[in-house]
Amino acid sequence: DQQVKQNSPSLSVQEGRISILNCDYTNSMFDYFLWYKKYPAEGPTFLISISSIKDKNEDGRFTVFLNKSAKHLSLHIVPSQPGDSAVYFCAARTFSGGGADGLTFGKGTHLIIQP
Amino acid sequence: SAVISQKPSRDICQRGTSLTIQCQVDSQVTMMFWYRQQPGQSLTLIATANQGSEATYESGFVIDKFPISRPNLTFSTLTVSNMSPEDSSIYLCSVEDLLVRHEQFFGPGTRLTVL
Repeated sequence: DQQVKQNSPSLSVQEGRISILNCDYTNSMFDYFLWYKKYPAEGPTFLISISSIKDKNEDGRFTVFLNKSAKHLSLHIVPSQPGDSAVYFCAARTFSGGGADGLTFGKGTHLIIQP
Repeated sequence: SAVISQKPSRDICQRGTSLTIQCQVDSQVTMMFWYRQQPGQSLTLIATANQGSEATYESGFVIDKFPISRPNLTFSTLTVSNMSPEDSSIYLCSVEDLLVRHEQFFGPGTRLTVL
């Protein structure tokens, strides 16, 4: 059973427009959420994160929104640039006991920025 | 963020053999994790590598198949034992220092093909 779901395998957006990537989760124990970007043949690169006590976090062109009641988060990229073309993974974690747990990942969304 | 390297970057192995993957970090980190990404799938956590103690494995992964060492705060190894074609994946290590921040940073990955 997938605890983190990214229901759009791919998304095509025109350069300069806003890209919105969505993620849903089922485990109410998750209290920290992260977005990663991955190019082929490379490891995932951390983009932005958000704690469950917040509903928005912004870093430059990237903003993550969290709706805890809906168990939904989204990543907004504006304006979209050609270099943003990559696979984007949503991930979630809990903090238990004496340390952090590993991450639970969604299946990813392949973002394609068209000129 | 920490600089993480993995060796080998890729390998092609025969069924029934074993491969040890190394993960080196340029700074001391509290926690190290091992993930795999099977073709077309998301990243799945294999285990958490704790310095000075046994690794903690996720459901579906066992120490006999994926023995892990963590001899110090900058290095870890993952061995894939008695390999079969189903073990063909990208194996990634990640690191996190709880004293500094909550995000995980990933190595470039090891692409393993088992014939």
